[in-house]
This record gives sequence, C-alpha cells and structure tokens, in this order.
Amino acid sequence: ILNVEQSPQSLHVQEGDSTNFTCSFPSSNFYALHWYRWETAKSPEALFVMTLNGDEKKKGRISATLNTKEGYSYLYIKGSQPEDSATYLCAFRPGYQKVTFGTGTKLQVIP
Amino acid sequence: EPEVTQTPSHQVTQMGQEVILRCVPISNHLYFYWYRQILGQKVEFLVSFYNNEISEKSEIFDDQFSVERPDGSNFTLKIRSTKLEDSAMYFCASGTGGGEKLFFGSGTQLSVL
Repeated sequence: ILNVEQSPQSLHVQEGDSTNFTCSFPSSNFYALHWYRWETAKSPEALFVMTLNGDEKKKGRISATLNTKEGYSYLYIKGSQPEDSATYLCAFRPGYQKVTFGTGTKLQVIP
Repeated sequence: EPEVTQTPSHQVTQMGQEVILRCVPISNHLYFYWYRQILGQKVEFLVSFYNNEISEKSEIFDDQFSVERPDGSNFTLKIRSTKLEDSAMYFCASGTGGGEKLFFGSGTQLSVL
C-alpha cells in the first residue's frame, strides 16, 4: 500500500494571506506527481502534472515544487482569495497507470 | 472542453441489491479508472482499465465488483450485492496515459440502506 500523505489536513486563512501545504510520497519508483483542486459539488480538476525532480510549475497565484529524491511536493497559494477555498489533492504515480491520492488538504479562505 | 460524464448523480439502493454506475469517458482516452470517497475519508483507488481489461485493482475491488466497457463509449462499475459500507461517492476518471493528468466525472453518490 503506497503511503501518500498531505499536511495539514485543513487550513483556515484570511483573504490575502499566502499559504502552502505539503504532499509526501515514496521516493522510489517515481513516475509523476499530480495536484488537483476539488471544489465542493464539483469533480477534481487537475492543476499540475510534475515529472522531474526540481520541477516548478505555476498557474496564476498557485505554484508547486517537486523533490523526488526526498519524496515531497509543496503547493503554494499567493494572496489567497475566497474562490481558492477547496480541497487540494496530490496524487502519486509510481507507474504508467495507477494513481494513488493523498489524504487532501481542505483550505478555507475567510473574506 | 471535453468532459467525463457520470450517471446517475445519486443512487439509493437496498443492501444486497445490484447497482450499475455508468461513465462516459473522453472519447480519445485510453485509460479508465474508478475511485471512491467514503464521507470524511480519502479518495480511494478501485480499479484501472486499459485495452479492454483490468490493468490494476485495489483490495477494495473484490469479487462483488466488476467493470465493463460494453460498447466502446460507456465504462460501467457494477456492484453485485451492495453492502452498507459501499455507500460513497464514486468517481470515474479517464486519461491518455503516461504521466498525464486525469479527467474526472462529477461523481455518483451511492447510498446503501
């Protein structure tokens, strides 16, 4: 059973604050790491797919980094907005097919 | 943008009954998945499907579960004899393979009474 952990489990921040959370995964047999945003009553939507150690991806105010040697990825949100409120899932891909999801970080941005 | 569609959005059934959850993946995708999330718990992998066969399945996916791609467009998950603990949100996903992202349907909320 692959252990993909995310921390913290939940987070409340004020609008305008920057925040970050962590995904840790096995450092062996790495193929890809995905980040998804999952808003209530919607389906998970991909933010980033990261494949190389040292990868940094950015989409607007959201960015992510990847360290495959030590088995972690950080997701950063700069200047959080209420619309950023969602559960953020990371997903570890050790091979071509199977994708194992982390426990998720539930973010609430308070206006 | 193409999307994965799932039906029904809600399904209520009695314990012991069979249910079929339906999914229409994105048409040029080759890899298909079922995941579920029991309320308050993490998203759990059930099964992946490629080239008309199961490529990987989890411990959850026992003999009570089966998947099919009956007509080249639909991808179904059948639970033969539902149990109370099968109550969950079931998500279908599809992808092109490799390291590429998955596209998820909006889910079927299954309630077993």
